Amino acid sequence: SQELEQSPQSLIVQEGKNLTINCTSSKTLYGLYWYKQKYGEGLIFLMMLQKGGEEKSHEKITAKLDEKKQQSSLHITASQPSHAGIYLCGAHNFRGGADGLTFGKGTHLIIQP
Amino acid sequence: GAVVSQHPSWVICKSGTSVKIECRSLDFQATTMFWYRQFPKQSLMLMATSNEGSKATYEQGVEKDKFLINHASLTLSTLTVTSAHPEDSSFYICSARVWGGGNQPQHFGDGTRLSIL
Repeated sequence: SQELEQSPQSLIVQEGKNLTINCTSSKTLYGLYWYKQKYGEGLIFLMMLQKGGEEKSHEKITAKLDEKKQQSSLHITASQPSHAGIYLCGAHNFRGGADGLTFGKGTHLIIQP
Repeated sequence: GAVVSQHPSWVICKSGTSVKIECRSLDFQATTMFWYRQFPKQSLMLMATSNEGSKATYEQGVEKDKFLINHASLTLSTLTVTSAHPEDSSFYICSARVWGGGNQPQHFGDGTRLSIL
């Protein structure tokens, strides 16, 4: 089955600074999802990437998919306290997107005021 | 739109008790729902795929007799942890995909924290 490796595992960033989180898959990516979770709570959907080279943005968060490298990156510009949380990347194991997701172990983001 | 409601959000019960967790899609229909488990400081692990009107599909290592799944309607799936023991204590979270929505993301509930004493 697919494995997703996220880096870094944790990140402490001063408020206002930019940051990048990476997600690398061991197999072909059939769609890549980014979610945010506060510990012990549900997942908030951020973005879905399906095609190589695809890039999506929402407010100050941008995600890119490099299908050839089987990687995705999540970039936050001018970080704010509200960005703190655990960021998870998830992917399907099979083409079609009908199966459950495999998740990375998450990146714990702390924003220092 | 695409709201998934999970109930209860927190359960504490004695060892040997069976616990039922509900997952509802509030504003959309879902032929498929998914159940995940998350241990402290670890990522989500897919337990099973719940299919409306048919048997659930369980991931390797997940006991189907321990974790009973019923998907009786297009908006409701239930997970029953039978004869729960302390090692079953975990955070259980469900997700659902919009039916007929093509390439749609999974929308997650807020999770259920289960503590077995």
